[in-house]
Amino acid sequence: KAGVTQTPRYLIKTRGQQVTLSCSPISGHRSVSWYQQTPGQGLQFLFEYFSETQRNKGNFPGRFSGRQFSNSRSEMNVSTLELGDSALYLCASSLTGTGLYEQYFGPGTRLTVT
Amino acid sequence: EDKVVQSPLSLVVHEGDTVTLNCSYEVTNFRSLLWYKQEKKAPTFLFMLTSSGIEKKSGRLSSILDKKELFSILNITATQTGDSAVYLCAVGKFGTASKLTFGTGTRLQVTL
Repeated sequence: KAGVTQTPRYLIKTRGQQVTLSCSPISGHRSVSWYQQTPGQGLQFLFEYFSETQRNKGNFPGRFSGRQFSNSRSEMNVSTLELGDSALYLCASSLTGTGLYEQYFGPGTRLTVT
Repeated sequence: EDKVVQSPLSLVVHEGDTVTLNCSYEVTNFRSLLWYKQEKKAPTFLFMLTSSGIEKKSGRLSSILDKKELFSILNITATQTGDSAVYLCAVGKFGTASKLTFGTGTRLQVTL
């Protein structure tokens, strides 16, 4: 079974621009969560989607948004990029999102904001 | 505020040694504790521990959960250089679905 895939793998943007990242979960998984990983803050939860609905949101500004499609693929958007948004963005998929099943991570998208 | 603390922050051992990594947590409505291994890429799932499964073992790796004392340990026996990685501990709660709160990780380096 194929794992979680994320595109693109690397991205360089300038301040003020916006960016869209994509995540395709493991086949059959319906829950997708997004995390931001930085050296200073570690892994921090952004939001989680299940059946096209956002169920949880972390403490990030409204510039960070996401959505999920009917095939469970998810996108994350960051508008008006700031230097501090440079990070590794990871998505994780889970079977049902009830917390009873393991979450599997994708390879991540490394975003650099200049 | 939920808190997950891992110790030590980093560790250097010789191949063949046994290591114990620690994870303590303070969360309300605890549901599960997960261990991940992260090399230069995505975290790789190792174990999930819950009240119905407080001890897990896979090969040279094992983990236990102490729900009373609010901590977990990850043991690695007969370490190999391929075990070098950052080991992450994460906690899930009831009522927050898939949201995980992560510790900052323990960086393990295994030398020859």
